[in-house]
Amino acid sequence: DAGVTQSPTHLIKTRGQQVTLRCSPKSGHDTVSWYQQALGQGPQFIFQYYEEEERQRGNFPDRFSGHQFPNYSSELNVNALLLGDSALYLCASRSGTSGTDTQYFGPGTRLTVL
Amino acid sequence: AQSVAQPEDQVNVAEGNPLTVKCTYSVSGNPYLFWYVQYPNRGLQFLLKYITGDNLVKGSYGFEAEFNKSQTSFHLKKPSALVSDSALYFCAVRDKPAGFQKLVFGTGTRLLVSP
Repeated sequence: DAGVTQSPTHLIKTRGQQVTLRCSPKSGHDTVSWYQQALGQGPQFIFQYYEEEERQRGNFPDRFSGHQFPNYSSELNVNALLLGDSALYLCASRSGTSGTDTQYFGPGTRLTVL
Repeated sequence: AQSVAQPEDQVNVAEGNPLTVKCTYSVSGNPYLFWYVQYPNRGLQFLLKYITGDNLVKGSYGFEAEFNKSQTSFHLKKPSALVSDSALYFCAVRDKPAGFQKLVFGTGTRLLVSP
């Protein structure tokens, strides 16, 4: 049973560019969340997708956008990259909206903005 | 707003000794609490969670956590530490009990187990 997978593993971009990160949820999961983890910090919630709609959003600017596909996979897009966007981007998945479900995380994508 | 605090940036323990990683929480309503571990250049791995019921929660890799409502704490414990337990540990709380929730994480505690 495959867990949460993310691609690419590492990515280097320059300021002003755009980036797309991808996530495939754990088998049987339909809800995907994205988190940003800056160096030395705990993960910060970006947004969550369920049934192809953004359901909750954290305190991130509109430069951060996402999408969920019918197969439950998801993309995170970041436009006009800033140096401060350098971080580990984590995808997490779970099943439905039950309050007791555990979120399982992927290995992350390390984004470096130069 | 829901929040957790991890008061120690680093915990040092010798292999074979018991370990404790501290977490305190601030929530309105019933807390839903989690512990995750992160190894270098890896994502987060789920260890255990408290939703309701027994105050002592058992999880993966021999870890357990004690929920204490009066002290608003959820400390992670292990009776005998291994060198391989050295990693970054995060306490987290769910921001609401149902519906579309997010996890709110602490700043993390680095555990260093010496041989």
